[in-house]
Amino acid sequence: GAVVSQHPSRVICKSGTSVKIECRSLDFQATTMFWYRQFPKQSLMLMATSNEGSKATYEQGVEKDKFLINHASLTLSTLTVTSAHPEDSSFYICSARDLGGANTEAFFGQGTRLTVV
Amino acid sequence: DAKTTQPPSMDCAEGRAANLPCNHSTISGNEYVYWYRQIHSQGPQYIIHGLKNNETNEMASLIITEDRKSSTLILPHATLRDTAVYYCIASSYNTDKLIFGTGTRLQVFP
Repeated sequence: GAVVSQHPSRVICKSGTSVKIECRSLDFQATTMFWYRQFPKQSLMLMATSNEGSKATYEQGVEKDKFLINHASLTLSTLTVTSAHPEDSSFYICSARDLGGANTEAFFGQGTRLTVV
Repeated sequence: DAKTTQPPSMDCAEGRAANLPCNHSTISGNEYVYWYRQIHSQGPQYIIHGLKNNETNEMASLIITEDRKSSTLILPHATLRDTAVYYCIASSYNTDKLIFGTGTRLQVFP
């Protein structure tokens, strides 16, 4: 199946700093990418939909100025957590969907565990 | 996207078939049924999807009822590595996004 690569897999940062997470589709062009957040023992919560060449669409309750999303190319989307605080510590997962392809399933990255100290 | 309902947990003996049910009574005609699973601390893994016909691949089989209001994911010979949380999602191709419910935690035991 298609591969989505996420980097870094783990990051620890100090409170008040910003962290960038990258999501790449390795063997297909992803016109749309998705960012999720997952707290321990909970399900994945969709944060935003990232569209190549246009502004991201954020889900209700997600602060767009805190979670900056850039989808500058058909293979790369980035999520920047700005002014991170301990409550932002979570497992962040990206997903990509090849809407131009024959299949409709989405593929997920391996996730990034963010710890803010 | 249509809401799905799954049992919170299930057990299965290794080597036996695991049958995971999902209710999606409000599914619309253009919505597919997708199944993903998530092993601890990893990103979700795609398993299978279908619209109205039963589907089978190397991982699993998907049985969708004729009225499309429910489906069953079948892992024919469960192994310990199949222990994971399994998510059933109803989503249309044009809607793009996948909304995850609470899923079923499948525990395969020796």
